[in-house]
Amino acid sequence: NAGVTQTPKFRVLKTGQSMTLLCAQDMNHEYMYWYRQDPGMGLRLIHYSVGEGTTAKGEVPDGYNVSRLKKQNFLLGLESAAPSQTSVYFCASSRSSNQPQHFGDGTRLSIL
Amino acid sequence: AQSVSQHNHHVILSEAASLELGCNYSYGGTVNLFWYVQYPGQHLQLLLKYFSGDPLVKGIKGFEAEFIKSKFSFNLRKPSVQWSDTAEYFCAAGSGAGSYQLTFGKGTKLSVIP
Repeated sequence: NAGVTQTPKFRVLKTGQSMTLLCAQDMNHEYMYWYRQDPGMGLRLIHYSVGEGTTAKGEVPDGYNVSRLKKQNFLLGLESAAPSQTSVYFCASSRSSNQPQHFGDGTRLSIL
Repeated sequence: AQSVSQHNHHVILSEAASLELGCNYSYGGTVNLFWYVQYPGQHLQLLLKYFSGDPLVKGIKGFEAEFIKSKFSFNLRKPSVQWSDTAEYFCAAGSGAGSYQLTFGKGTKLSVIP
């Protein structure tokens, strides 16, 4: 039972580089979310999607883009990485808006 | 904007001690409330949730939480903690049906000393 799978688990980038984080869920959930977790800040929502082909901004969307071309996948892109984007990124999915979210194992991203 | 406050940043307890972690939310309308736990190096897992009905909610691993609407609170409790409860605990709130977003508190780190 895979649930929510994130790839990669770790990555180190140089400032200005771009990369894409992949989130895949096998629970047929409609809603998917990207969060970042920073010490003492809790989880902050970056972007979310309420269904295939839809995306919306969360609390801290600047510097990130997302795409939901397939229901099971939600991609998070960093166009030009900055040190302030060093964080642990979590993807989550849920069946509907008021159902519990299921989280992936996280991606630890360091920007040098 | 909705906010969630967790009063304690770090709580240290001995095994068998009782636990209460505070959580207050700011939203005044219908609200869904959650407690998640994150064990070291792992992802967040749902401990319990409140949508409506009995304000005393029981979750996994002996945890419970009480929703007190008049105090905008949803405190997490456990009568007797174990070393394996060492983790970070996050309270989260969503503004009722149709809300796509959860607001998380900043988390409370619990350390249980054997």
